[in-house]
Amino acid sequence: GEQVEQRPPHLSVREGDSAFITCTYTDPNSYYFFWYKQEPGASLQLLMKVFSSTEINEGQGFTVLLNKKDKRLSLNLTAAHPGDSAAYFCAVGQGGRALIFGTGTTVSVSP
Amino acid sequence: EAAVTQSPRNKVAVTGGKVTLSCNQTNNHNNMYWYRQDTGHGLRLIHYSYGAGSTEKGDIPDGYKASRPSQENFSLILELATPSQTSVYFCASGDADEQYFGPGTRLTVL
Repeated sequence: GEQVEQRPPHLSVREGDSAFITCTYTDPNSYYFFWYKQEPGASLQLLMKVFSSTEINEGQGFTVLLNKKDKRLSLNLTAAHPGDSAAYFCAVGQGGRALIFGTGTTVSVSP
Repeated sequence: EAAVTQSPRNKVAVTGGKVTLSCNQTNNHNNMYWYRQDTGHGLRLIHYSYGAGSTEKGDIPDGYKASRPSQENFSLILELATPSQTSVYFCASGDADEQYFGPGTRLTVL
């Protein structure tokens, strides 16, 4: 079955810097990709949903890149601020069935 | 208004006791899921359901049962709780390609 590896497990950056998180997956049939943000003690909040037909997706303060050839999904927090401090999880799906999650990256943004 | 709710939010149970975690969704989604979250493992799928009356085993079903009596409700049942089941449990609902998560239940088994 699908396996998802997420790196790095922890990331510390200064305010204004970029924070880059990468997930690699194994199943070429996966075609839904997600990034979730989880603040301490809270639930998972959907940041972005990516379909396999779109390689670059931009949100508010972040960019998601999908490289289908290398089976790699990336999240770049551009100009990070303390409010970005949280755990981030990638997830991969094939429609209908449950998602396969990465192990998470804890991001700490210092002023 | 929260579309996926869980109860209880916190639970302390004794080893060997029975625990029931409840989930309710108002999204009218067919699919519902139970995950547990542990440090270093991310979220792992325990059971899921495609609709009322159906339950399917996920990746780590041992020691857990599930029940889907209606479209809105999905329960996770620990018949004989063990300390290794201490975790945070998340319920989610979804259709096809999106999942929406509840606030989580922190379970401690002593």
